[in-house]
Amino acid sequence: AQKITQTQPGMFVQEKEAVTLDCTYDTSDQSYGLFWYKQPSSGEMIFLIYQGSYDEQNATEGRYSLNFQKARKSANLVISASQLGDSAMYFCAMREGTGNTPLVFGKGTRLSVIA
Amino acid sequence: GAVVSQHPSRVICKSGTSVKIECRSLDFQATTMFWYRQFPKQSLMLMATSNEGSKATYEQGVEKDKFLINHASLTLSTLTVTSAHPEDSSFYICSAGQVASPLHFGNGTRLTVT
Repeated sequence: AQKITQTQPGMFVQEKEAVTLDCTYDTSDQSYGLFWYKQPSSGEMIFLIYQGSYDEQNATEGRYSLNFQKARKSANLVISASQLGDSAMYFCAMREGTGNTPLVFGKGTRLSVIA
Repeated sequence: GAVVSQHPSRVICKSGTSVKIECRSLDFQATTMFWYRQFPKQSLMLMATSNEGSKATYEQGVEKDKFLINHASLTLSTLTVTSAHPEDSSFYICSAGQVASPLHFGNGTRLTVT
């Protein structure tokens, strides 16, 4: 079974508008971390935001916020006030357990910001 | 924040030759590093977990004799693609980080095998 599911292959958003990128996850671990990364066309992986499984408050980092709904196993990324430079691939990922474990990625969502 | 450096960023090699990719953690000691591969328009797939001072752990379907990983120090892991073929052409990217923290990625290596 897919551990990370991103159901939106592509999304369009008008500049200055907000956009939500969906992510659901599947794990039997009680301790896990959820991450969002941005990958521009250059290929680098840029860390955006992190949510721990025990965190009760939704994470926020500047224009990025993570809508964490633990019972539904969802971790949606909200980007407010979209900018042209936000156009990129966005990956949701998870680290399971308490050790130094790898990230498992979803298939990604390509976001295009329109002027 | 933690920085991971990867070299080279781009390499073109002939079929049958070997290519070495280096991944360094610049400001922290990484007992564990992870190697990923990304084909065009696809996600990152974990190839192997590199452990300092011991053998790497490979994911199912990844040939350990083809993708040699060496993690001889706490700041350096290398991936050698041996006897490369055109189907090995891909984007290879390494990462490292602390427990329960974001993984930091190198800038990746785009390998083209002709």
